[in-house]
Amino acid sequence: GQQVMQIPQYQHVQEGEDFTTYCNSSTTLSNIQWYKQRPGGHPVFLIQLVKSGEVKKQKRLTFQFGEAKKNSSLHITATQTTDVGTYFCAGSGGSYIPTFGRGTSLIVHP
Amino acid sequence: GAVVSQHPSRVICKSGTSVKIECRSLDFQATTMFWYRQFPKQSLMLMATSNEGSKATYEQGVEKDKFLINHASLTLSTLTVTSAHPEDSSFYICSAYSSGTGSYNEQFFGPGTRLTVL
Repeated sequence: GQQVMQIPQYQHVQEGEDFTTYCNSSTTLSNIQWYKQRPGGHPVFLIQLVKSGEVKKQKRLTFQFGEAKKNSSLHITATQTTDVGTYFCAGSGGSYIPTFGRGTSLIVHP
Repeated sequence: GAVVSQHPSRVICKSGTSVKIECRSLDFQATTMFWYRQFPKQSLMLMATSNEGSKATYEQGVEKDKFLINHASLTLSTLTVTSAHPEDSSFYICSAYSSGTGSYNEQFFGPGTRLTVL
């Protein structure tokens, strides 16, 4: 079945440094979604990418979908303490049911 | 965005008892609801997919007789953990999905239920 791998599992950064998490699928995806889960909270939808090579920005967050639609990345510029949390990618193939990556926990040190 | 509620938020029960968790979509009709389980610092593990009016589809390794799911209406799904044991202690999260709801047909997650079985 479809597998979605996400790295790294944890990332410690100093406030102001950049952060990137990567997502790779074993199969071609129809779309990929990104979610953020704050400590003690529930996942909240951030964005969806659909097109090959698509790049979307939300303030300091940049999301990319690979040309082959099998990988994606989330990049945060100049991290802030409010960025702390776990970022999940979720890829959908033929089914509308997405497969979640294991998440990357971002820890920002002030 | 759309709101999903979950009740209770926390529950502590004795081993052998059953616990029911409710998931409601408050401002939209959810054709599909998902139930996830999340262990500390781990990813979301999909347990089952529930469509209104039909039997839930369980993921491999999830006991359907232990985790009873009922999707009685377009706004309510329930998960009952039967004869709970300490190893069932976890964070259970539901999400709701409906084609046309939200900008991207994304899942809207409930706040989760922390189950502790003594």
